[in-house]
Amino acid sequence: AQSVAQPEDQVNVAEGNPLTVKCTYSVSGNPYLFWYVQYPNRGLQFLLKYITGDNLVKGSYGFEAEFNKSQTSFHLKKPSALVSDSALYFCAVRDHTGGFKTIFGAGTRLFVKA
Amino acid sequence: SAVISQKPSRDICQRGTSLTIQCQVDSQVTMMFWYRQQPGQSLTLIATANQGSEATYESGFVIDKFPISRPNLTFSTLTVSNMSPEDSSIYLCSVPGQGLEAFFGQGTRLTVV
Repeated sequence: AQSVAQPEDQVNVAEGNPLTVKCTYSVSGNPYLFWYVQYPNRGLQFLLKYITGDNLVKGSYGFEAEFNKSQTSFHLKKPSALVSDSALYFCAVRDHTGGFKTIFGAGTRLFVKA
Repeated sequence: SAVISQKPSRDICQRGTSLTIQCQVDSQVTMMFWYRQQPGQSLTLIATANQGSEATYESGFVIDKFPISRPNLTFSTLTVSNMSPEDSSIYLCSVPGQGLEAFFGQGTRLTVV
């Protein structure tokens, strides 16, 4: 079964510092991995994805993620955090073995302090 | 990217009643998904709604409690039946994009009192 794990419930970082939100995955076959962000009282927004190709993928709002097959990880990163990045972040995997549903991690709440 | 409209955006309902949530997409899609997000929790898939066939429910969710309609390729409804306070959640519909990412409606925030 496909699954993702986000080991941190919360990440705190000062504005201007780099941030990392961790994600590990367990899939059969090639992984289709995603990051989504949820701002308060709003739906989920797609940030970036890894399907194939370069291990470093770039997405919206200056975010990037590094796919590491040997460590089965897909950590979300940003070189310089903004207070407006404070939100709930979900790592997700697309189940392409059947049904094509998206399976979400537990979520990590990011707090960026001014 | 798909534009998804969900109605209502929020509602407060009495226990024992039912609420129907509507999801309209601006393009034709084969599959639509309904998720539940309980307070402070992640998203849990309720069911997959395919046009022309019965919805496929995930473990722990049953048709009697969450009946789904899918009359055409741009529209679906989810009904939360015989509600209890434990049904208080955000309900989201989702469609897959051509790039494999998922697009979501703004969600329906349901409070059962």
